[in-house]
Amino acid sequence: NAGVMQNPRHLVRRRGQEARLRCSPVKGHSHVYWYRQLPEEGLKFMVYLQKENIIDESGMPKERFSAEFPKEGPSILRIQQVVRGDSAAYFCASSPDRKDEQYFGPGTRLTVT
Amino acid sequence: GESVGLHLPTLSVQEGDNSIINCAYSNSASDYFIWYKQESGKGPQFIIDIRSNMDKRQGQRVTVLLNKTVKHLSLQIAATQPGDSAVYFCAETLLSGGSNYKLTFGKGTLLTVNP
Repeated sequence: NAGVMQNPRHLVRRRGQEARLRCSPVKGHSHVYWYRQLPEEGLKFMVYLQKENIIDESGMPKERFSAEFPKEGPSILRIQQVVRGDSAAYFCASSPDRKDEQYFGPGTRLTVT
Repeated sequence: GESVGLHLPTLSVQEGDNSIINCAYSNSASDYFIWYKQESGKGPQFIIDIRSNMDKRQGQRVTVLLNKTVKHLSLQIAATQPGDSAVYFCAETLLSGGSNYKLTFGKGTLLTVNP
């Protein structure tokens, strides 16, 4: 049973580059959530997606950040023109339904140099 | 002992002792709470949950206590083992609300178990 998969596990980008983080949910799960974790802090909700739809992006910065969950393939969190403050661990979670338990992936640790 | 400062609160215990990790939650309307364990380099792992119509729930070696009057949650781990060493987060949400998927996490407590 494959859990939530995220890749890459570690990503280093220079300021101004783009970062693409991928998340493959648990098989059969159609609800995906992205969270950001700064060092020594709890996870902060960013966005909730269902297949092909963004349901709630209230936790996403208004600029440079976007997310998608296409009909086929993984969910993508995209950060354009990265800045040092974007350095964090980004976690994806999935669930079979919005009220169900969320299963978390291992995270992608983004470092912006 | 337990300390709170600019860094994560930490709790250091001896193997075999019982551990109590505390959490103050923020929203008095929250009606569902979850404890997560996060080991170094990994994602949060569900431990136990509790709804607001209960004040205590027991699992295997873990017990969660909820005090809604003071908005306080605690996680008790019996006979703590080295494998329990991790950061523990409480999370809250409003199950009955439209945004029930949106988990709000606390800052976390680092538990270190000494052999």
